[in-house]
Amino acid sequence: EAGVTQSPTHLIKTRGQQVTLRCSPISGHTSVYWYQQALGLGLQFLLWYDEGEERNRGNFPPRFSGRQFPNYSSELNVNALELEDSALYLCASSFLTFYGEQFFGPGTRLTVL
Amino acid sequence: DQQVKQNSPSLSVQEGRISILNCDYTNSMFDYFLWYKKYPAEGPTFLISISSIKDKNEDGRFTVFLNKSAKHLSLHIVPSQPGDSAVYFCAASSNTGNQFYFGTGTSLTVIP
Repeated sequence: EAGVTQSPTHLIKTRGQQVTLRCSPISGHTSVYWYQQALGLGLQFLLWYDEGEERNRGNFPPRFSGRQFPNYSSELNVNALELEDSALYLCASSFLTFYGEQFFGPGTRLTVL
Repeated sequence: DQQVKQNSPSLSVQEGRISILNCDYTNSMFDYFLWYKKYPAEGPTFLISISSIKDKNEDGRFTVFLNKSAKHLSLHIVPSQPGDSAVYFCAASSNTGNQFYFGTGTSLTVIP
């Protein structure tokens, strides 16, 4: 069974640019979660998508957005990049919403210069 | 507002000894807890979970203990092996909430 995949693995952007990160969940999983792990911090919850709908978002500004496609893959968009957006962005998927194990992808390392 | 805290950023243990990783939480509504392990350049992988109706859950060398009155959980690894060297995150959720709250992680080093 293929795991959660994310692309790209690394990305370098400059301040003010926009970036799109992609995630493909495990087959059969309908929920996709996005997390940010900045240096020295734990995983901060960003967004949760289930069945194509945004179900919840964490304490992040609106320039962080995303969507989930009919095949349950997901995109995370970050507009007007700031230096503090430099982080590892992790995507996870699950079958049981928030009451079951989440399976994580390897992450996308974003560096904002 | 860090609702889940791991106050020890790092821990070193000799191979064969017990590793104890600690986690504290502040939200009394949390009723489901998980531990994840993360190797460098990989995403976190699920290790073990516990619901608030239990105070202990065991899976092989890994045991999680939950003390609801103290809002504290711990992960015991016995015996520790060098392959256990990784960053360990605890996470918590509630059945009325819709997100997991993660701690900042503890980096475990098992010395051969």
